[in-house]
Amino acid sequence: NAGVMQNPRHLVRRRGQEARLRCSPMKGHSHVYWYRQLPEEGLKFMVYLQKENIIDESGMPKERFSAEFPKEGPSILRIQQVVRGDSAAYFCASSPGYNYGYTFGSGTRLTVV
Amino acid sequence: KQEVTQIPAALSVPEGENLVLNCSFTDSAIYNLQWFRQDPGKGLTSLLLIQSSQREQTSGRLNASLDKSSGRSTLYIAASQPGDSATYLCAVRGETSGSRLTFGEGTQLTVNP
Repeated sequence: NAGVMQNPRHLVRRRGQEARLRCSPMKGHSHVYWYRQLPEEGLKFMVYLQKENIIDESGMPKERFSAEFPKEGPSILRIQQVVRGDSAAYFCASSPGYNYGYTFGSGTRLTVV
Repeated sequence: KQEVTQIPAALSVPEGENLVLNCSFTDSAIYNLQWFRQDPGKGLTSLLLIQSSQREQTSGRLNASLDKSSGRSTLYIAASQPGDSATYLCAVRGETSGSRLTFGEGTQLTVNP
């Protein structure tokens, strides 16, 4: 079992470009979560998805950010028209259900220049 | 709103010491609590998961306890080693916060040889 796979590990974008972050959950896990860790800050919840459904997106900025978890393929976190303040580590986690622990991926470190 | 506090923020100890990391949370209505370890520039590694009905969990030199009614958890590390140096994060899944985890700011541990 390869664990939670995130790619790319590092991503550099110029202001105004789009960033696409990918996450493949652990085999057998149908719950996917995205968290953001800003420099020198704690981990903040962004969005919770199950296959083809967004369950809770209350932590995600209303503009420029979107997430999906299609029937086939990885979960995608998309940031349009990136700004310097989007520079952070973005972590994906998965779990098999509500009462189980999370398994985290290694993260994608986004740098906006 | 659930808030999670970890004390101390940083800790430096000589190798071989036993140590305790503290975590407190404001809303005792939780499903579970999870301790993670984060190495610099890396993802999160799950250490221990305690369900709300449990009092403690053990894994090797690690022991985590949970006192749900008082909103406290401790992570005990026995016979610390330099390889234990990392940031330790406590996270709770609250009954009223859906499936999200609320993280503390972490304790940065340094074990000196």
